[in-house]
Amino acid sequence: AQSVSQHNHHVILSEAASLELGCNYSYGGTVNLFWYVQYPGQHLQLLLKYFSGDPLVKGIKGFEAEFIKSKFSFNLRKPSVQWSDTAEYFCAVNAGSGGGADGLTFGKGTHLIIQP
Amino acid sequence: DAGVIQSPRHEVTEMGQEVTLRCKPISGHDYLFWYRQTMMRGLELLIYFNNNVPIDDSGMPEDRFSAKMPNASFSTLKIQPSEPRDSAVYFCASSLVVGQLFFGSGTQLSVL
Repeated sequence: AQSVSQHNHHVILSEAASLELGCNYSYGGTVNLFWYVQYPGQHLQLLLKYFSGDPLVKGIKGFEAEFIKSKFSFNLRKPSVQWSDTAEYFCAVNAGSGGGADGLTFGKGTHLIIQP
Repeated sequence: DAGVIQSPRHEVTEMGQEVTLRCKPISGHDYLFWYRQTMMRGLELLIYFNNNVPIDDSGMPEDRFSAKMPNASFSTLKIQPSEPRDSAVYFCASSLVVGQLFFGSGTQLSVL
């Protein structure tokens, strides 16, 4: 079974600071990796995804993530955060065996607060 | 498209009562998922369906929980009897492409 670990439960940054949220997963086979975001009062939505190919993937709103297979990591980054990036961020994984849309296993989330 | 629709948004009930949560997936999506979110355990997959058929219910905590999907546009999650430890936010999500889940707004359940 897969598991996902997010390093920080709470992160507080000032606007324009650079962001990196850590995510490590535990699974021995091929994986699909995702970052979801939940803005205050809104439902979870997909931020970016990695299936195969270029390990550096770009998502919406200037976010990107890098898949490092040797480290079982998929860290989320943004060069310069904005106040509107305040949200809960979830890393997720599912087995990339091609067997179908198996349910995602989520990390516990990182609550990001951006101070003006 | 209106997205995934869940009802009710909030439910407050007393221990021992039956609770039914409802979900309408996005039209055309053939996968439907039920998740539970708590502070302690994060987001947990309870059960998911493919073409209305339950595929994996290993996340359902115990026999008090049951889920049905009688047709492609409707699913229910039932808790009977409910207990205070069931208090959580319950999310429904649907999907057509692997991993690209579209979530509903959730049902905030409080069992007193």
